[in-house]
Amino acid sequence: GENVEQHPSTLSVQEGDSAVIKCTYSDSASNYFPWYKQELGKRPQLIIDIRSNVGEKKDQRIAVTLNKTAKHFSLHITETQPEDSAVYFCAASKKGGSQGNLIFGKGTKLSVKP
Amino acid sequence: DSGVTQTPKHLITATGQRVTLRCSPRSGDLSVYWYQQSLDQGLQFLIQYYNGEERAKGNILERFSAQQFPDLHSELNLSSLELGDSALYFCASSVGGGVSDTEAFFGQGTRLTVV
Repeated sequence: GENVEQHPSTLSVQEGDSAVIKCTYSDSASNYFPWYKQELGKRPQLIIDIRSNVGEKKDQRIAVTLNKTAKHFSLHITETQPEDSAVYFCAASKKGGSQGNLIFGKGTKLSVKP
Repeated sequence: DSGVTQTPKHLITATGQRVTLRCSPRSGDLSVYWYQQSLDQGLQFLIQYYNGEERAKGNILERFSAQQFPDLHSELNLSSLELGDSALYFCASSVGGGVSDTEAFFGQGTRLTVV
């Protein structure tokens, strides 16, 4: 089955700096890669996603890149703010097949210091 | 508010007991997914139901079972509970079962504590 590795497990940056979180996946049939943000004690919330037919997607300060050949994808957050502090999870899924469940990485705890 | 409702929010029970967690998906969503999040762990996929039928199975223990009812709400049953079952259990829902999916929306979770 699918396996998703996520690095780093913790990341500390100064406010205004950029943060990059990287994930690799094992199943070449995976074609949907969402990123979720989870604040302490709250539910995971989708912040951005990318499908396998594109290489990059941006939404304001957040961007995701996908390298299908290498089977890795990354989350980029620019101009970080203290409210970006949270745990970020990447995930992979085979949308369009018989199963749509998400397989998650173990998460990255991002701390943005003012 | 994601539109996915989970009850109860908190549950404290003793080892060996059985509990039932409930999830009501967003209106119109046919898929329900269950995830377990233990301390310092990621989100472990347990099981998916689509329109009443089991669609995918992950790392779900034999002591755990789930079902989705005709009104599309789902229940996760955990039996012979052990201390290690203490975790946050999330339910998520999405429109499709894989053919024309949109994003998965998560409920607020049920925090289970086994003592």
